[in-house]
Amino acid sequence: KNQVEQSPQSLIILEGKNCTLQCNYTVSPFSNLRWYKQDTGRGPVSLTIMTFSENTKSNGRYTATLDADTKQSSLHITASQLSDSASYICVVIPPYNNNDMRFGAGTRLTVKP
Amino acid sequence: DAGVIQSPRHEVTEMGQEVTLRCKPISGHNSLFWYRQTMMRGLELLIYFNNNVPIDDSGMPEDRFSAKMPNASFSTLKIQPSEPRDSAVYFCASSDRDSTYTQYFGPGTRLTVL
Repeated sequence: KNQVEQSPQSLIILEGKNCTLQCNYTVSPFSNLRWYKQDTGRGPVSLTIMTFSENTKSNGRYTATLDADTKQSSLHITASQLSDSASYICVVIPPYNNNDMRFGAGTRLTVKP
Repeated sequence: DAGVIQSPRHEVTEMGQEVTLRCKPISGHNSLFWYRQTMMRGLELLIYFNNNVPIDDSGMPEDRFSAKMPNASFSTLKIQPSEPRDSAVYFCASSDRDSTYTQYFGPGTRLTVL
């Protein structure tokens, strides 16, 4: 069973709208949780990094939240733009090995004009 | 910096042929990772190196796969013999031992084995 589950699998929204992507994980304990953005045909790019003690982290129009009690994280995108169309991948990292990244399957976001 | 460089960007080969993928990490980074991405399985870590030494190759599917890092600026992933199920996008990433251990990914090599 995948230790990091993301929902929805895909999402279509109109330009300018907000959206929220979900990540549930069973990796416990963990060192940090990351969200990556992957454009089509490109490698993933780090958006946010949160340690287990942080609740929220922002990067421009992207805001990630973390609830360590319920083992849930969300990525909120505000005022979406066409360039936000991409896959968003949630990654959880155990404390004993910072290179042991547990990847979610990703959410494919499409922003339409 | 040019970022992580991978070559080739696309590779089409026939079953049974040897395939070699190449990666140049970001200068100064001391960790290098090889990943495979497919629609069915998402991103999977195949192997990673610290200071040119392979640390964990438990993700390497089978003996047909091998990886080397002869120096700090170059790594190869070899598949011999290749099979159609090896078709995927192969990413190389590198990181530095800063506080975040952020991995920087290359553009990937799209491999198609016919």
